[in-house]
Amino acid sequence: SAVISQKPSRDICQRGTSLTIQCQVDSQVTMMFWYRQQPGQSLTLIATANQGSEATYESGFVIDKFPISRPNLTFSTLTVSNMSPEDSSIYLCSVKRGGRGDEQFFGPGTRLTVL
Amino acid sequence: AQSVTQPDIHITVSEGASLELRCNYSYGATPYLFWYVQSPGQGLQLLLKYFSGDTLVQGIKGFEAEFKRSQSSFNLRKPSVHWSDAAEYFCAVGDGGYQKVTFGIGTKLQVIP
Repeated sequence: SAVISQKPSRDICQRGTSLTIQCQVDSQVTMMFWYRQQPGQSLTLIATANQGSEATYESGFVIDKFPISRPNLTFSTLTVSNMSPEDSSIYLCSVKRGGRGDEQFFGPGTRLTVL
Repeated sequence: AQSVTQPDIHITVSEGASLELRCNYSYGATPYLFWYVQSPGQGLQLLLKYFSGDTLVQGIKGFEAEFKRSQSSFNLRKPSVHWSDAAEYFCAVGDGGYQKVTFGIGTKLQVIP
């Protein structure tokens, strides 16, 4: 397994501001992902955080809105930019250690409310 | 594209009763299948997974799931539910290569005394 921490655990932000969420893993992992879970919805993959290169974004998500960094194999950040109330969600970091078939482990999530 | 359907949004069972949560998937090849549980205010915890081999998979907390290729299903079961099992349960399917995982909408389980 992997121990994953996220900061902050929750935040309340004003419209138009930005928030950076941190994800820290207790050991090196192959892949890191960022998901969004909107109220009453399932998890939606935002992007794969690639170490040393630009993140790979899923359809509907763009770098200007959700810039991601991954400076090393244990840490990543997701920024939610120019926030609106529609960005109110739980943002989850997940990691995958190995290759094919390995499961993902999830962090506790960051609950974001935008007023 | 892969997809997951969880037809039951909300299920209520009595403590001690048996439980079955339904999951149907769509994927062109042999899928990687997962069940996760999310307790209120918590992240997701993996209950069990299926990659290959025995189609009946045992997981943590007394859960099991059965892969039925003919029905494209991966239903989660527990013979006797405990109050602490009240949570939201997500079925997920992963592709064979990149391992992109697609989640179902979730089933919220309520356990009554």
